[in-house]
Amino acid sequence: AQSVTQPDIHITVSEGASLELRCNYSYGATPYLFWYVQSPGQGLQLLLKYFSGDTLVQGIKGFEAEFKRSQSSFNLRKPSVHWSDAAEYFCAVGALSEGGYNKLIFGAGTRLAVHP
Amino acid sequence: KAGVTQTPRYLIKTRGQQVTLSCSPISGHRSVSWYQQTPGQGLQFLFEYFSETQRNKGNFPGRFSGRQFSNSRSEMNVSTLELGDSALYLCASNEAGESEETQYFGPGTRLLVL
Repeated sequence: AQSVTQPDIHITVSEGASLELRCNYSYGATPYLFWYVQSPGQGLQLLLKYFSGDTLVQGIKGFEAEFKRSQSSFNLRKPSVHWSDAAEYFCAVGALSEGGYNKLIFGAGTRLAVHP
Repeated sequence: KAGVTQTPRYLIKTRGQQVTLSCSPISGHRSVSWYQQTPGQGLQFLFEYFSETQRNKGNFPGRFSGRQFSNSRSEMNVSTLELGDSALYLCASNEAGESEETQYFGPGTRLLVL
């Protein structure tokens, strides 16, 4: 079955520290992978996406993610966290449904807190 | 281009009532998807519409329905509301609904059922 696992429900880091959010997926075919961020009371904003090619992808706000097929992972990283990065982060896979068209399967999310 | 818009932003209903939520996609986008977000179940796919046709449906009861108009605007309807329907309902759009396309999300409609 198609699924996305984000092992960490909550993560707290100090401002300026590095960050890595973990994401593992289960999907039979080549996955289309996404990271979204959600601030309180807001919708989802795309940070970055992977379709093919270079396994290290750059996104907005200084985020990057690396696709590792052998580990079925797509971890999100940032070298130096800012207080404004505090939010909830969702990893998702673009999956084909029975009708052959797309839907997103999301992980449970990781809530990031940033200490000053 | 303007982003995805959803109305209303907040809604309070009582059990047994019905509710209609509206979504206007980004101009030129023909695929509209709906997701339900709750603390317990997370983000779950409801359904997807493309050119006024429902192409995909998630695992939700028949009380949840939707439609899409010729201008790609979409509505979703929930009949006979239950307490468990309290959630943030998110609408997303993209051009053709292909797996590799980015889905752009609206701010959501927060529904509270009392």
